[in-house]
Amino acid sequence: DVKVTQSSRYLVKRTGEKVFLECVQDMDHENMFWYRQDPGLGLRLIYFSYDVKMKEKGDIPEGYSVSREKKERFSLILESASTNQTSMYLCASNKGGRETQYFGPGTRLLVL
Amino acid sequence: GENVEQHPSTLSVQEGDSAVIKCTYSDSASNYFPWYKQELGKRPQLIIDIRSNVGEKKDQRIAVTLNKTAKHFSLHITETQPEDSAVYFCAALRFKAAGNKLTFGGGTRVLVKP
Repeated sequence: DVKVTQSSRYLVKRTGEKVFLECVQDMDHENMFWYRQDPGLGLRLIYFSYDVKMKEKGDIPEGYSVSREKKERFSLILESASTNQTSMYLCASNKGGRETQYFGPGTRLLVL
Repeated sequence: GENVEQHPSTLSVQEGDSAVIKCTYSDSASNYFPWYKQELGKRPQLIIDIRSNVGEKKDQRIAVTLNKTAKHFSLHITETQPEDSAVYFCAALRFKAAGNKLTFGGGTRVLVKP
C-alpha cells in the first residue's frame, strides 16, 4: 500500500518566517508534486520533481522553492512566509506519466 | 498551458438520483483525464480515469465520457448514496516523455441528501 506522509498536519507561522514542509513516500516513485488547495480554486501545482535533484515550476511557483536530495523526500520551502500563503498544502507522488497520483494527508498552514 | 474548467461548483442531489459534473479543457493534445474524490478531511483519491483513445468508461455506479472534438469530459454518478458526498476534481494531462503534470479543475462539492 502506497504511503505518502507529510511532516505536519497543522502549522502556524509568523509573517517573514522561513517555513519547511516535508513529504516522504515509501514506494520508490519517480515523481513528486506539491499543490496548494484553496476553496474554489482546486488543486494548483506549485512545483514538481521527476528525479532526484530535478525540479520544474508548476503554475504558481512564486514565493516557493523546493528541494529533492533523496528520491523518497520532497521539501517545499517558503523563504519568507506571507499571509497570502495561508492554505492547505498537499504533496503527491506517482511512478510517472499517466499513473495514479497518491496524496499525503495535507498540511494546513496559517501565516499570521 | 492547459486550462481546465469544472462545473458546477456545488451540486445537491437527492439520494438515488444521478449526478453529472462537466469539465472542459483547452489543450487539444491532452490525452489523459482522471477524476479524484476528496471526502471531508481526507486526501484526494483517484476514482476513475479515461484515455483519449476511448469515449466512455464505466466502473459500477460511476462513468466518465469524453468528447475530444468539443474538448470536454464528464463524470456521471448513478443511484447516488450518502457516501458519494465529497468534492470531486477533474484533471487533464498531455503525456510526454518526462515532466508530466496534471492540471486540475476547480472542484465540485457534491451533497447527497438522504
